[in-house]
Amino acid sequence: DSGVTQTPKHLITATGQRVTLRCSPRSGDLSVYWYQQSLDQGLQFLIHYYNGEERAKGNILERFSAQQFPDLHSELNLSSLELGDSALYFCASSAGDLGAQYFGPGTRLLVL
Amino acid sequence: GEDVEQSLFLSVREGDSSVINCTYTDSSSTYLYWYKQEPGAGLQLLTYIFSNMDMKQDQRLTVLLNKKDKHLSLRIADTQTGDSAIYFCAETPDDKIIFGKGTRLHILP
Repeated sequence: DSGVTQTPKHLITATGQRVTLRCSPRSGDLSVYWYQQSLDQGLQFLIHYYNGEERAKGNILERFSAQQFPDLHSELNLSSLELGDSALYFCASSAGDLGAQYFGPGTRLLVL
Repeated sequence: GEDVEQSLFLSVREGDSSVINCTYTDSSSTYLYWYKQEPGAGLQLLTYIFSNMDMKQDQRLTVLLNKKDKHLSLRIADTQTGDSAIYFCAETPDDKIIFGKGTRLHILP
């Protein structure tokens, strides 16, 4: 158990819908990272927040957005969902701005 | 460009050593990581190496770093069935972390 929690574990929704994925980092960690893992694209870095501020953006679509709240939990919002958005979404946390990351168990999203 | 390369599959007999190789692109990476992903689970940090080191040993794991060739390797001694997983290497250019596509390690009896 990494200490990072993610909810929900599974999510099934339809194209065009919007969903919110939630992540609670390890106690004391200030950084939260979001990743998308699919069979064809591998593990793609989406976005990094540090202590509430956006630090770095990766291959995140405009339909996706994220935020980190004062209590340091984070949410990833996915809107206008497409079939190709079906993937595993991981959250990770680290103590500082960039360092060893600890991954949550992931949210498996299926868009039908 | 940013591309971390790993071979996709490796088969090793139980008890032998496994060597998983990785080529990264950005020499400015401060840390280089190895992660392990078991079926249905998230990634688990295995080990990491600072860019100013050549080698790091941690029990059955040995990490070798060749900065000149931008080559990173992970050696698992006495490979066990529990080592069966996907292994990802990652580099850390700027404020990002870039993962390879992972090497699936298969253990033969």
